[in-house]
Amino acid sequence: DAGVIQSPRHEVTEMGQEVTLRCKPISGHDYLFWYRQTMMRGLELLIYFNNNVPIDDSGMPEDRFSAKMPNASFSTLKIQPSEPRDSAVYFCASGGLGSYNEQFFGPGTRLTVL
Amino acid sequence: QQQVKQSPQSLIVQKGGISIINCAYENTAFDYFPWYQQFPGKGPALLIAIRPDVSEKKEGRFTISFNKSAKQFSLHIMDSQPGDSATYFCAAPRGSGTYKYIFGTGTRLKVLA
Repeated sequence: DAGVIQSPRHEVTEMGQEVTLRCKPISGHDYLFWYRQTMMRGLELLIYFNNNVPIDDSGMPEDRFSAKMPNASFSTLKIQPSEPRDSAVYFCASGGLGSYNEQFFGPGTRLTVL
Repeated sequence: QQQVKQSPQSLIVQKGGISIINCAYENTAFDYFPWYQQFPGKGPALLIAIRPDVSEKKEGRFTISFNKSAKQFSLHIMDSQPGDSATYFCAAPRGSGTYKYIFGTGTRLKVLA
């Protein structure tokens, strides 16, 4: 398996623009997580899905953020409109088959909002 | 809001030395307590995990010590190597079987050759 796939790996955009981050989880995993990592706040859970259904979105910072999982093999995280303070590394992770409730993280998308 | 407090923020150890990272958690679910390792430019990866009904777990040079009464757990890296230089995150479960975790703020470890 190729692991969790995220695209793009890097995104530079201007304030006010819409940003869409994409994730393909590991096949067979029924949990999918979106995290944001910054130096100041560390690794924050934004939202997670179970069987394509959003379970907890309490970590989503505000209405500008939205996430969808239309099927078991694809999820998106959208920021509209983007702001400079959204600059961070966004990770997607999946889980459900491994021991220890292991989450398998993707390589991340580094977002820079100018 | 539930937190996991991790210390130290950064750590420098000589090759062959012992690296110790500590975490303290608040009320949490009865489920695995994992440690993740992250190299620059990569996503975190599971290093080792322990259940709270076990006081210690060892895998090679890595050991988790768990103190349920004190709500603390720690990672010990014996015979630290330059290849261990990475950021380490502890995590505490938010709900049993939900795979939902709260991560610590991370410890940046540098092992000098």
